[in-house]
Amino acid sequence: GDSVTQMEGPVTLSEEAFLTINCTYTATGYPSLFWYVQYPGEGLQLLLKATKADDKGSNKGFEATYRKETTSFHLEKGSVQVSDSAVYFCALSEVTGNQFYFGTGTSLTVIP
Amino acid sequence: DTAVSQTPKYLVTQMGNDKSIKCEQNLGHDTMYWYKQDSKKFLKIMFSYNNKELIINETVPNRFSPKSPDKAHLNLHINSLELGDSAVYFCASSQFDRNTEAFFGQGTRLTVV
Repeated sequence: GDSVTQMEGPVTLSEEAFLTINCTYTATGYPSLFWYVQYPGEGLQLLLKATKADDKGSNKGFEATYRKETTSFHLEKGSVQVSDSAVYFCALSEVTGNQFYFGTGTSLTVIP
Repeated sequence: DTAVSQTPKYLVTQMGNDKSIKCEQNLGHDTMYWYKQDSKKFLKIMFSYNNKELIINETVPNRFSPKSPDKAHLNLHINSLELGDSAVYFCASSQFDRNTEAFFGQGTRLTVV
């Protein structure tokens, strides 16, 4: 069945450091891939998405590229800020069935 | 306008009580979900409804009963609450078969004492 494996946290970085959070997936078809962010006390918000191989999703300085050959969708940001402290979830959905599969979440803390 | 709204945001109740959480979406989506998030932030799908019909029903105690009066609403009723039910419950919606993202509500933090 479909699944998402996400880099475990917690991750602590200094402000302006480079961020990578690894995400790999298993899917039977051609899924869409997502990164969601959850700030403390809030719901999940879509950060970025990619719907087909080689697509790059980007938002707020974050980027992730849909790599079919390595079944990966790693999240990157060149220079993190304190305000990026949150939990990040990688997810996928298939066209049919429309169930969303989430990774376990990675907690990021950025210190000044 | 809030796209997916759920009420209440906080719910504190005693063991054995029955409680409901309501969810409404104004996005015109035809699919709605309930997720449970535990203290380690792990998200577990509980139920999914498409056009008011149940399409996903994961292994959840039958004390949990979802009800979808129409496509825009999906409520969660919980009977005989137990300590282990304490968690954050999220409602979400999406458009079936469009491969698009799900939109989440703000969550309901349920504490059973």
